[in-house]
Amino acid sequence: SSELTQDPAVSVALGQTVRITCQGDSLRNYYASWYQQKPGQAPVLVIYGKNNRPSGIPDRFSGSSSGNTASLTITGAQAEDEADYYCNSRDSSANLYVVFGGGTKLTVL
Amino acid sequence: QLQLQESGPGLVKPSETLSLTCTVSGGSISSSSYYWGWIRQPPGKGLEWIGSIYYSGSTYYNPSLKSRVTISIDTSKNQFSLKLSSVTAADTAVYYCARHLYDFWSGYCDYWGQGSLVTVSS
Repeated sequence: SSELTQDPAVSVALGQTVRITCQGDSLRNYYASWYQQKPGQAPVLVIYGKNNRPSGIPDRFSGSSSGNTASLTITGAQAEDEADYYCNSRDSSANLYVVFGGGTKLTVL
Repeated sequence: QLQLQESGPGLVKPSETLSLTCTVSGGSISSSSYYWGWIRQPPGKGLEWIGSIYYSGSTYYNPSLKSRVTISIDTSKNQFSLKLSSVTAADTAVYYCARHLYDFWSGYCDYWGQGSLVTVSS
């Protein structure tokens, strides 16, 4: 099965822009989706598909992809954006398997 | 508003079978648009996909867990369930149920339960 690799930790100054990346072979064929998880809470979907936001997700969150790398960009990071972020995609085997990245801890300074 | 709620024992003995149920409210589990599945998260660690099921009963399992996992569905009760056999301490985790969507380009989970902590210990 596929693997997705994320940087363990990233930091950003309040109000600045940050990019969180996710790498994996499956991303050459499938879009990544992104989840935000705050301590003690379930993950929340923030980006899916090419660059779609579920209802209620601020438009400062956006997604992009190039080759085997997907990115989640937060433009104008807010204090409440401090959280763990996970990417996922379908497995490159073309079966309906799902794989998750290891997660990135975002700190807003 | 769709809601998912996990239920089941919070403590399981080593070598026994972990059993959890997810009850779906605010929508039908028999919808042809969605799959229903399980994801787990060991304390302090990342998310691991366990598997998913369609209303027809078709299942997909994480290859690393496939020999021990069974996911089933009961459309009459709007519930689906997880069984994980021969558990060890490594199976201690928060177990989430979630609605899955697949299309040609992606697979993702748009609604999640609040999670259920299952501890494996004698």
